Amino acid sequence: DQQVKQNSPSLSVQEGRISILNCDYTNSMFDYFLWYKKYPAEGPTFLISISSIKDKNEDGRFTVFLNKSAKHLSLHIVPSQPGDSAVYFCAAYTGTASKLTFGTGTRLQVTL
Amino acid sequence: DAGVTQSPTHLIKTRGQHVTLRCSPISGHKSVSWYQQVLGQGPQFIFQYYEKEERGRGNFPDRFSARQFPNYSSELNVNALLLGDSALYLCASSLRLAGGTYVEQYFGPGTRLTVT
Repeated sequence: DQQVKQNSPSLSVQEGRISILNCDYTNSMFDYFLWYKKYPAEGPTFLISISSIKDKNEDGRFTVFLNKSAKHLSLHIVPSQPGDSAVYFCAAYTGTASKLTFGTGTRLQVTL
Repeated sequence: DAGVTQSPTHLIKTRGQHVTLRCSPISGHKSVSWYQQVLGQGPQFIFQYYEKEERGRGNFPDRFSARQFPNYSSELNVNALLLGDSALYLCASSLRLAGGTYVEQYFGPGTRLTVT
């Protein structure tokens, strides 16, 4: 049962434009949602998180939006830069189970 | 400060063999979690340890076991290896055990295990 889903396996965006990565979830008990970025041969790197009681969190070029009624969150990157090219994982955290549940990832390519 | 380190980087094993993977957390971090990432999938939670005790377990068979040492480093052991165990094994450390509030996890580069 895939509780966290990223339906777009890949996304290509021009440098300077906005990148929007989407994520859907099924478990309404998740306490936090996170985005991780992964380069080849490296472990995932934490980008930004949002509590389930918030609907927006912003950190520099990265903004995460949470729509609880739709069980949907998105990561906006503005402006996109070539160094943002990586695989992005959406993850959800459950306090009771103390574990992260990851989506399958979206490969973002930022072109010149 | 050094990040999370894992060893070995790569290894190849034969079906039926046993493997031990090692992880050293960031200095001061007391919690270690293990994840398995199969090609094309996101990381799947295997175990979490805190203060040398198992605090969480994912949906993995008993062939998978782990332990945490007094210096907070950790080992993941897999017995009777199957072809399907081929994956990237990630270790993550965090300052403490999270409860209702998320505590950031820092991931190591992983160990790539190939079972032939």
